[in-house]
Amino acid sequence: AQTVTQSQPEMSVQEAETVTLSCTYDTSENNYYLFWYKQPPSRQMILVIRQEAYKQQNATENRFSVNFQKAAKSFSLKISDSQLGDTAMYFCAFMQKGGSEKLVFGKGTKLTVNP
Amino acid sequence: GAGVSQTPSNKVTEKGKYVELRCDPISGHTALYWYRQSLGQGPEFLIYFQGTGAADDSGLPNDRFFAVRPEGSVSTLKIQRTERGDSAVYLCASSLRGLHNEQFFGPGTRLTVL
Repeated sequence: AQTVTQSQPEMSVQEAETVTLSCTYDTSENNYYLFWYKQPPSRQMILVIRQEAYKQQNATENRFSVNFQKAAKSFSLKISDSQLGDTAMYFCAFMQKGGSEKLVFGKGTKLTVNP
Repeated sequence: GAGVSQTPSNKVTEKGKYVELRCDPISGHTALYWYRQSLGQGPEFLIYFQGTGAADDSGLPNDRFFAVRPEGSVSTLKIQRTERGDSAVYLCASSLRGLHNEQFFGPGTRLTVL
């Protein structure tokens, strides 16, 4: 079974600075996706960024980018120019392609952006 | 149109009671997922529907939990003889499989069993 580990329960960053959230995963599969989801206090899970395992190029979405190291099974999220609205729980998730394509989540990292 | 909706937003019940939680997916989404998020944890998979059928129910913790999706749209998660350990946020997500595999989540139902 796949597992996802987020080793940083909490992190904080000053507004406008850069922060990196860590994620490692364990799988024997080759065809999968990795995701970062944001969950603000409203509980609504919002997709931040997606990475397909077969793509070597790291995904980027505006201020959000990932460092995908497939051999090391590492998938970190970098947030540049942090904004107060980035304050939330961030979850790393794994999805095996095919079958039910259910998401396997880590325990999350609580990010606080300070003014 | 609208995103995934879930009702009720909050549900408080007593131990031993029966509860139903409802999920309205995005119109046209054939795949529907239920997850359970306990305090301080990430969501955990419960069940997956493709159309009307439960294609994967491997995450249901025991036979007190059951879910249906009779017309391939709205889904109901049913919990019998609730226990205090069932207290959690129950999240529903829907997707168009094959379209970037993105699951769109609802705001969840917070269930509290007293």
